[in-house]
Amino acid sequence: AQSVTQPDIHITVSEGASLELRCNYSYGATPYLFWYVQSPGQGLQLLLKYFSGDTLVQGIKGFEAEFKRSQSSFNLRKPSVHWSDAAEYFCAVGAFPTGANNLFFGTGTRLTVIP
Amino acid sequence: DAMVIQNPRYQVTQFGKPVTLSCSQTLNHNVMYWYQQKSSQAPKLLFHYYDKDFNNEADTPDNFQSRRPNTSFCFLDIRSPGLGDTAMYLCATSRDQGGLETQYFGPGTRLLVL
Repeated sequence: AQSVTQPDIHITVSEGASLELRCNYSYGATPYLFWYVQSPGQGLQLLLKYFSGDTLVQGIKGFEAEFKRSQSSFNLRKPSVHWSDAAEYFCAVGAFPTGANNLFFGTGTRLTVIP
Repeated sequence: DAMVIQNPRYQVTQFGKPVTLSCSQTLNHNVMYWYQQKSSQAPKLLFHYYDKDFNNEADTPDNFQSRRPNTSFCFLDIRSPGLGDTAMYLCATSRDQGGLETQYFGPGTRLLVL
């Protein structure tokens, strides 16, 4: 069965510092992987996604993620965090056995940015 | 400018009193989804519509129903809410089914059952 683990519930970083959010997945086939961000009072917004090809994926807002099959990981990175990046981040794996677009989410990582 | 709209944003209801949550979209997408997100938990898919075809997840309680009267609107009906149904309910849409399609989420409705 598919599952997603985000080991860090809460991360605090200083503005301007680099960021890495961890995501590990379990899925029998080649996964479809996503990172979403949820700002307070807002819906989930797609940051980036990986289906195939280049394992380093660029997203919006300066984020990138790297797919590592050997580690079953899809970690999200940003070289320099801005105060507006404070939000909840969700990693998700897509399961499409019947063509339906079912996303399985991790429990999220809350990012706090301090001045 | 909003693409996926959910109403109300906050809803308080009493134990056992039916409640309906609304979702509308301006994207003209074929697929609409409802997720439940309990506190500190991952969003969990309840069901989705592909056009008028309803697809229920196997573990979605019978207490949860959905209606999609037209392309733009989709409703979540909770027939007899229990305390355990307190959660954020997220609506999402995608142009089509399949792994290549991006899901677009609304801001959610926070439901409190007393």
